[in-house]
Amino acid sequence: DAMVIQNPRYQVTQFGKPVTLSCSQTLNHNVMYWYQQKSSQAPKLLFHYYDKDFNNEADTPDNFQSRRPNTSFCFLDIRSPGLGDAAMYLCATSRAREGYNEQFFGPGTRLTVL
Amino acid sequence: AQSVAQPEDQVNVAEGNPLTVKCTYSVSGNPYLFWYVQYPNRGLQFLLKYITGDNLVKGSYGFEAEFNKSQTSFHLKKPSALVSDSALYFCAAPFDSWGKLQFGAGTQVVVTP
Repeated sequence: DAMVIQNPRYQVTQFGKPVTLSCSQTLNHNVMYWYQQKSSQAPKLLFHYYDKDFNNEADTPDNFQSRRPNTSFCFLDIRSPGLGDAAMYLCATSRAREGYNEQFFGPGTRLTVL
Repeated sequence: AQSVAQPEDQVNVAEGNPLTVKCTYSVSGNPYLFWYVQYPNRGLQFLLKYITGDNLVKGSYGFEAEFNKSQTSFHLKKPSALVSDSALYFCAAPFDSWGKLQFGAGTQVVVTP
C-alpha cells in the first residue's frame, strides 16, 4: 500500500545533541510537510517542500532545518534540541499545493529530550 | 483571516448512539473543509472533505459531514458510535492558496461501552 513512513517512531536525545528524523513516502507526492504537535494540541506547521522548493514558516526556530534529497525522502534536523522541543513530529504529503488536496500523514516520531 | 473553530474540547457518547463533532468556519470565498482523526500515538488520518457540490459528504469508517453555508458549519456525524471511534478529531481548512492547513483545536471523542 502507498504510504508515509516515519523513522524512528520514538527518539530519545539529550539536551543539545543533534537529532535527525526521517520521512519517506511511496505516494509520489510533490509536497511534503513537517509538523510539530504537543500534547493533543493541533499540529503546528514547521515548513514544507514543494518539489525541491523549501518554504519555512515565519515562526519556525532556526534550530529546525530540513532536507529533501529526492521526491521520496525528507528529513527534519534539530540542531540543538531543548526541553521545549519534546513533541510528536508529523510528516505529511499531498499531491499538489492546491487547497483542495488532502494531506496524508505518517505515524509520527515522538521525541523525548533528556 | 481564515479559520476554523471546534467549540467542544470533549464529546462523550455511549456506544450505539449518534455522534456529532462540531466545527464552524470563517473562510472567504468557497471553502475547502476537512476532517481528520488521530488515534493515540498515531498520525492524523484523513476522513473526508468538502470542496463543492453536495452538502452531505460521506467519508471513511461510516462518518459523514454536513456543509451548512448559512450557519458556516461543517459538523462531523456518525449515526451509531463505536468504542473504537474514541480519538481526537480535527477540523481543518487551507488558509492560503498553497494548501497549508489551519486546524481547529481538536475535539476528544470518548465512546463508552
